[in-house]
Amino acid sequence: QAQLQESGPGLVKSSETLSLTCTVSGGSTNYFYWSWIRQPPGKGLEWIGYIHYTGTTDYNPSLKSRLTMSVDTSKNQFSLRLSSVTATDTAVYYCARGQGGYSVWGQGTLVTVSS
Amino acid sequence: EIMLAQSPVTLSLSPGERATLSCRASQSVSSYYLAWFQHKPGQAPRLLIYGASNRATGIPDRFSGRGSGTDFTLTISRLEPEDFAVYYCQQYGSSPVSFGGGTKVEIK
Repeated sequence: QAQLQESGPGLVKSSETLSLTCTVSGGSTNYFYWSWIRQPPGKGLEWIGYIHYTGTTDYNPSLKSRLTMSVDTSKNQFSLRLSSVTATDTAVYYCARGQGGYSVWGQGTLVTVSS
Repeated sequence: EIMLAQSPVTLSLSPGERATLSCRASQSVSSYYLAWFQHKPGQAPRLLIYGASNRATGIPDRFSGRGSGTDFTLTISRLEPEDFAVYYCQQYGSSPVSFGGGTKVEIK
């Protein structure tokens, strides 16, 4: 069974770029879609976007102008970069396998945007 | 963009009672791409139902999903103590993917 693990800075300064990586173990990034979801404090789940192992992406329109996703199949990793962050980007960020209906999730990582 | 409205926002019930959660879409959703998740604090969400009515691996049969078009329901037949959590529906058949706002099932 594949396992996912998010990694990256837990604190990012306002206006800078948030960068997270999700490492896939016990499986391959090949042949799947890979997603990012976040949950701001006290709020619900928000879909960020997904990337196919071929590089095809689909992003949340509200984040699209600031968002870049990539996949490195040689390292079994996929990544998220969110630029020009503000306090509203403070959230627990999850990676997951699939376009939706995710059966495999990372444990989540809290990213706080500081001013 | 398909908006998902979940109701009620909070459901206060006792263990052993039946829980009925609603997810209503602003446009028709393909049943193949409607999922339900359970989310507890400090944990990753857990897939309960996919394809509107199919239980995910390891999910007890007290959880059931049904619906089509714009109206979907998650039912927990008899609440166990571990079922008190927040539940989300998600559609992923139409871009952008969207989640409902969630229903919190709390102990009465």
